[in-house]
Amino acid sequence: GAGVSQSPRYKVAKRGQDVALRCDPISGHVSLFWYQQALGQGPEFLTYFQNEAQLDKSGLPSDRFFAERPEGSVSTLKIQRTQQEDSAVYLCASTQGLGNQPQHFGDGTRLSIL
Amino acid sequence: AQSVTQLDSQVPVFEEAPVELRCNYSSSVSVYLFWYVQYPNQGLQLLLKYLSGSTLVKGINGFEAEFNKSQTSFHLRKPSVHISDTAEYFCAVMRVTGGGNKLTFGTGTQLKVEL
Repeated sequence: GAGVSQSPRYKVAKRGQDVALRCDPISGHVSLFWYQQALGQGPEFLTYFQNEAQLDKSGLPSDRFFAERPEGSVSTLKIQRTQQEDSAVYLCASTQGLGNQPQHFGDGTRLSIL
Repeated sequence: AQSVTQLDSQVPVFEEAPVELRCNYSSSVSVYLFWYVQYPNQGLQLLLKYLSGSTLVKGINGFEAEFNKSQTSFHLRKPSVHISDTAEYFCAVMRVTGGGNKLTFGTGTQLKVEL
């Protein structure tokens, strides 16, 4: 597609449920990033993939958060046993290659935990 | 570790007036610098970036920013704003080496352009 696509755009879940958020990067983009943006804050780094390899997961807040990119294109961010503090917008970004190339962002998934 | 400070959470300005959004950063290593804009319910769009060379960089929509190494600043400016510039603006840094290309963002500045 023309841009980074994220689905669903909005997700409401009850505390304790598992959720899965999907990211379709720009076709051919090697690098993929996940960020978490709490209300009124800037995005914070969660994890980074280069092709199918997860090279950095230092930003994942707990072991309830898990991300994968098995074929080096689509990525899924999974949150298990959701908590209210998980409520945020989850942004995905991709870049064509490595280094300092600008990251192209999707419109995000707004997750609300009741 | 790197950090970014955007001191102004909100900046109101009248249409056609100039504006400056401030950004200061802290890092023990060399960084690249970016400004992104976020419209409501959308993702982030790159306005401009500083990688090397001239310290004055020009971006889209008439914005420009100046990198000042001694003051560790990267302030964003526009000589004449338009209503459509109303949005949230984020300053971000990326380590030149060893950082895995992840961005560290400030908390954002809400620019509100009024008639």
